[in-house]
Parts: sequence; structure tokens; C-alpha cells
Amino acid sequence: EVQLVESGGGLVQPGRSLKLSCVASGFTFSNYGMNWIRQAPGKGLEWVAYISSGSSYIYYAETVKGRFTISRDNAKNTLYLQMTSLRSEDTALYYCASRGFAYWGQGTLVTVSS
Amino acid sequence: DVVMTQTPPSLSVAIGQSVSISCKSSQSLVYSDGKTYLHWLLQSPGRSPKRLIYQVSNLGSGVPDRFSGTGSQKDFTLKISRVEAEDLGVYYCAQTTHFPYTFGAGTKLELK
Repeated sequence: EVQLVESGGGLVQPGRSLKLSCVASGFTFSNYGMNWIRQAPGKGLEWVAYISSGSSYIYYAETVKGRFTISRDNAKNTLYLQMTSLRSEDTALYYCASRGFAYWGQGTLVTVSS
Repeated sequence: DVVMTQTPPSLSVAIGQSVSISCKSSQSLVYSDGKTYLHWLLQSPGRSPKRLIYQVSNLGSGVPDRFSGTGSQKDFTLKISRVEAEDLGVYYCAQTTHFPYTFGAGTKLELK
């Protein structure tokens, strides 16, 4: 059974940092590009970042470019999102999802507030 | 960025009714490999999104054949035949042809 399990969310003050993790199982993680996608409360889906299977290709949404860093450790079957200089508008449920949005995690909630 | 325009924003349906949702993109979604990376997702209340259809018309794993996708280039449609209660939620189209990846605003399917 495919599983993606996110963690690392929480309440953080504006300007601070947070690192999210997504542990994959049930499929060959190292063969798949991976995405982070977020959903603000009551809103639609917003793609955040993508990393190719071997980390050679990385892309970001303009709204997070320069502040967020996506990375992965294929030996640990884990995807990461390092978030810095957080803003209130980054408040959202953050999902990891595989290439083509085939598999999704349950999400981890990030709340940016003083 | 590719703008995905989804209509209608909401649908009120009776169980057993058939419905269609439209998704139009501001650019062609045909990739250089000849494939079209247009997908349909369903987010049931309180749940994570689930991919129903990939590459325009391919049914996702375990997805009933009441769901079908058609279209090409910039114009796509999701059809649900004989709506069941478990089909209720928000439907999104999404493209993974061009970066940044983008989603439609969603179509909320509700019971009449």
C-alpha cells in the first residue's frame, strides 16, 4: 500500500523557519519526482515546489522562490521542505504528492501567526 | 503561467444523474513528448485529494468507470455518469505539462 506521511507542521511566528518532512512507503520513491502542494483554509490547491527523482531538476512557485527549499533523501525515502522567512499567507495545509499527483499524503498544517 | 478555467464552480445533482465539468487552459497542454498532462482530482470533505483521471482520459487505480475524461490541447471535460453519494466533494483539474504546475479553482459537487 502506498503511503506518504507528512510531519513538521505547527504554529510559527512570522519571519521564522520550519522544516517539513514526508516519508514515503509502498513504492520505489527514488524513481519518482515529488511535489509539495498547499491549501490555505477554505481555499483551493496551490502547487509549491517540485524535485526530480535524482534531485537534478527543482522548480518553485514564484510565491515561495528564495524562501523555501525542496530536497530529498532517497536512502531514507524522505522528501523535505525547508521554509524560511514565513509569512501569514503561508498558512496552509501542506501536502506532499508524487509525480503526476498520483499519490498524496494526509497533509501537515502550518500556521504562521504572532 | 498556465491559467486553468474550470466551470461550473458548483453543481447540485441528484443521485443517479450524470454531470460534466469543463476545464480550459490558457495554453496547449501537449508536452514535447506528445503526451498531455491534464489530470482530474477529487477532494472529498475532510480528505486529501485523490487523482481520478490522468493524462486526459486514463482512469486512476481503483476509480470506477462511471468517471471518464475527454479533450485535447486546451479544452477538457470530466464526465460522471450516474452520480453516487461518494462522488460528492470538490473536483479539480490540474496540469503538469508546464512549470509552474497549476490547478483549476474547483467545482463543488453537492446533492440536490
